Amino acid sequence: GENVEQHPSTLSVQEGDSAVIKCTYSDSASNYFPWYKQELGKGPQLIIDIRSNVGEKKDQRIAVTLNKTAKHFSLHITETQPEDSAVYFCAASPFNNDMRFGAGTRLTVKP
Amino acid sequence: DAMVIQNPRYQVTQFGKPVTLSCSQTLNHNVMYWYQQKSSQAPKLLFHYYDKDFNNEADTPDNFQSRRPNTSFCFLDIRSPGLGDAAMYLCATSALKSGDTEAFFGQGTRLTVV
Repeated sequence: GENVEQHPSTLSVQEGDSAVIKCTYSDSASNYFPWYKQELGKGPQLIIDIRSNVGEKKDQRIAVTLNKTAKHFSLHITETQPEDSAVYFCAASPFNNDMRFGAGTRLTVKP
Repeated sequence: DAMVIQNPRYQVTQFGKPVTLSCSQTLNHNVMYWYQQKSSQAPKLLFHYYDKDFNNEADTPDNFQSRRPNTSFCFLDIRSPGLGDAAMYLCATSALKSGDTEAFFGQGTRLTVV
């Protein structure tokens, strides 16, 4: 089955700096790669996703890149703000199968 | 407006006393999932329903059961909660079982076992 690895487990940046979180996956059949932000005491919220036919997607300060050959994808947050502090999960989903999560990255943005 | 609603947000139960967590959705999605999330860990899939078709993960303990009486509601039953079952339980829905469909999560129910 699918195995998703996520790095780093914790990340601390200064406000205004960029943050990058990286994930790798094992199942070449995976074709959907969402990123979730989870704030304390809440359920995960989708912030951006990418499908296998696209190499990059951007939404304001957030971007995701996908390298299908290398089986890795990354989340990029630019101009970070304190409210970006949360745990971020990547996930990979093979067609007709269940989504598997990475272990999560705790992002802290220092004012 | 919340689309996936979990009740209660916080549940305290006694060791060994059956407990039921509920999830409802306004999205009319075919698929409903239950995840267990322990502190500082990723959500772990317990099982899911595709319509009325129940799919259990191989490593989900028998202590965990689920019911889906209709499209909108899904319940997680823990028959004899142990201390190790204390966790956040997340319900999610998606329109299709196919992998490239967004999953919507509820806010979760935090279960404490005393």
